[in-house]
Amino acid sequence: AQKVTQAQTEISVVEKEDVTLDCVYETRDTTYYLFWYKQPPSGELVFLIRRNSFDEQNEISGRYSWNFQKSTSSFNFTITASQVVDSAVYFCALSEAWPDKVIFGPGTSLSVIP
Amino acid sequence: KAGVTQTPRYLIKTRGQQVTLSCSPISGHRSVSWYQQTPGQGLQFLFEYFSETQRNKGNFPGRFSGRQFSNSRSEMNVSTLELGDSALYLCASSFLVTSYNEQFFGPGTRLTVL
Repeated sequence: AQKVTQAQTEISVVEKEDVTLDCVYETRDTTYYLFWYKQPPSGELVFLIRRNSFDEQNEISGRYSWNFQKSTSSFNFTITASQVVDSAVYFCALSEAWPDKVIFGPGTSLSVIP
Repeated sequence: KAGVTQTPRYLIKTRGQQVTLSCSPISGHRSVSWYQQTPGQGLQFLFEYFSETQRNKGNFPGRFSGRQFSNSRSEMNVSTLELGDSALYLCASSFLVTSYNEQFFGPGTRLTVL
């Protein structure tokens, strides 16, 4: 069965601090996909990144970076030098090749204080 | 390119009524998924349609139904509304299958059941 755990319910950081959002997943499949989405206060979820199970390369995009470790079933997300605009709820999600649906974690609410 | 649109944005209904929500995907996207978002349960998958066929369904009672039209627009219907149906209903579209494609979310319909 698919499951996504985001143990951190809420995080508060001061602007310019680095912050890591944890994501642990469970799946029995060898082929699966992991995602991160951001939901700002406006409410509309925005796609951030997708990673497939065969690609364990870490990724960096500006201030964002992702660490995928199959050995620990984790797909953590780090924001470097956080900014107030980073304040949002961040969701980690998992999908297997079949059935074709995406399971979201409970989300981590990040508040960046100026 | 226009994003995913959902109508109406806000709805207030009373228990026992029924409601229909509409979603227009991004042009060219054939997959439409629906999610229910509540503070207690988070983001829960309702169902997914592709080329007018429901391919997957989440664990919701039969009061929740949906359909997709030939132009990929989708509707979801909730009959015999209950107080617990109060939620933000999100629609997401993707080009093909959702399991490995990023999804584009609409702003949601906020349903309040009194």
